[in-house]
Amino acid sequence: SAVISQKPSRDICQRGTSLTIQCQVDSQVTMMFWYRQQPGQSLTLIATANQGSEATYESGFVIDKFPISRPNLTFSTLTVSNMSPEDSSIYLCSVVQTGANVLTFGAGSRLTVL
Amino acid sequence: AQSVTQPDIHITVSEGASLELRCNYSYGATPYLFWYVQSPGQGLQLLLKYFSGDTLVQGIKGFEAEFKRSQSSFNLRKPSVHWSDAAEYFCAVGSNNNDMRFGAGTRLTVKP
Repeated sequence: SAVISQKPSRDICQRGTSLTIQCQVDSQVTMMFWYRQQPGQSLTLIATANQGSEATYESGFVIDKFPISRPNLTFSTLTVSNMSPEDSSIYLCSVVQTGANVLTFGAGSRLTVL
Repeated sequence: AQSVTQPDIHITVSEGASLELRCNYSYGATPYLFWYVQSPGQGLQLLLKYFSGDTLVQGIKGFEAEFKRSQSSFNLRKPSVHWSDAAEYFCAVGSNNNDMRFGAGTRLTVKP
């Protein structure tokens, strides 16, 4: 299965700042997704990162708050903008390899907003 | 709309004892079903999946799960738990990966 690298693995940020999380995959993948896991909670899909076009956001998530880029089939970024303590979460990149129908996850990026 | 229910938030078992984690789903068609495990500070690792065919599926680390359509369940089992199995377990349902739903998770504690 694909190997996913996420950076940073964790960070502590100040309120009002923005942070960009990177997701690098070791092979070309058709579908890439960003999930959020709030403390003690399950996973919630933020958006599907589309290569060469705007991401597709789930209800409750907007591009101004969570801009996403996907310049090619192996890389994506998620920015958490104008952060507040409520944004403290683990953010997970996941991919589906062509024909696999299985999500593979990165190790996640743990954000703490003070 | 599809949904997943994991009724048990937290389960404690003794090392060597058997384990069953419950998962119930609601889905309009034949679902794809998954179990993932998340160790502390780690991402999610796929334990096993069910798409079709034999309703008893074997996964990694000695886990298995049984799909029971009549009960809308996909319970995870292990005959003998090891201390390293302590983690959070997530059941998920979907037909394609744009529309996957995760349960709330069950935290497993293993007593020595």
